[in-house]
Amino acid sequence: QLTQSPSSLSASVGDRVTITCRASQDISSYLAWYQQKPGKAPKLLIHDASTLQSGVSSRFSGSGSGTEFTLTISSLQPEDFATYYCLQVHTFPYTFGQGTQLDLK
Amino acid sequence: QVTLRESGPALVRPTQTLTLTCTFSGFSLSTRGMCVSWIRQPPGKALEWLARIDWDDDKYYSTSLKTRLTISKDTSKNQVVLTTTNMDPVDTARYYCARGRRYCRTDDCYWSFDHWGQGALVTVSS
Repeated sequence: QLTQSPSSLSASVGDRVTITCRASQDISSYLAWYQQKPGKAPKLLIHDASTLQSGVSSRFSGSGSGTEFTLTISSLQPEDFATYYCLQVHTFPYTFGQGTQLDLK
Repeated sequence: QVTLRESGPALVRPTQTLTLTCTFSGFSLSTRGMCVSWIRQPPGKALEWLARIDWDDDKYYSTSLKTRLTISKDTSKNQVVLTTTNMDPVDTARYYCARGRRYCRTDDCYWSFDHWGQGALVTVSS
């Protein structure tokens, strides 16, 4: 089970934001982060907890291992306002967090 | 260039069986370390992982839906099929397929789902 927080977040362009994902058991580093915009498929940002997917902006970073993980956006850009999900791939069934909706303050 | 595309009926009746096809290009499911998963998303809700099929035909399912799901592949056609029996209105969702790629380190391996289709919206209604 993954618990994401906060469930929603209001921020401004240029802000630094952090989203947290907590696992109910040790999942090592088997966690990914996705960004989803309305009407679009999720886009992979981070895998293995901290590995930036090829082509993704370096303002996105991930950290953590075990049961606590964070996604940080260093300086929000207009295109970053979206919903973010974590996904654990340590144990079947795979599970997603409930999502964090990031919108413009 | 990896692409995936989901296809199937937009509307199914309660109790019917849903068959969705994922047609992909840019990789082969006969290549070691490749897999395809299905994920769904009810309108306005979170993502839910459903099933995975690997290059060696290993299969994995959601615990809660295991008795209703079947995943299969046709390597020659570059397709993966998901069937869901006994559809219910709560199964209304956009269904996505995604390519999984295995990464191995010194001591372990893990999977990353890096390419997704645009999804197929399925409504269950009488």
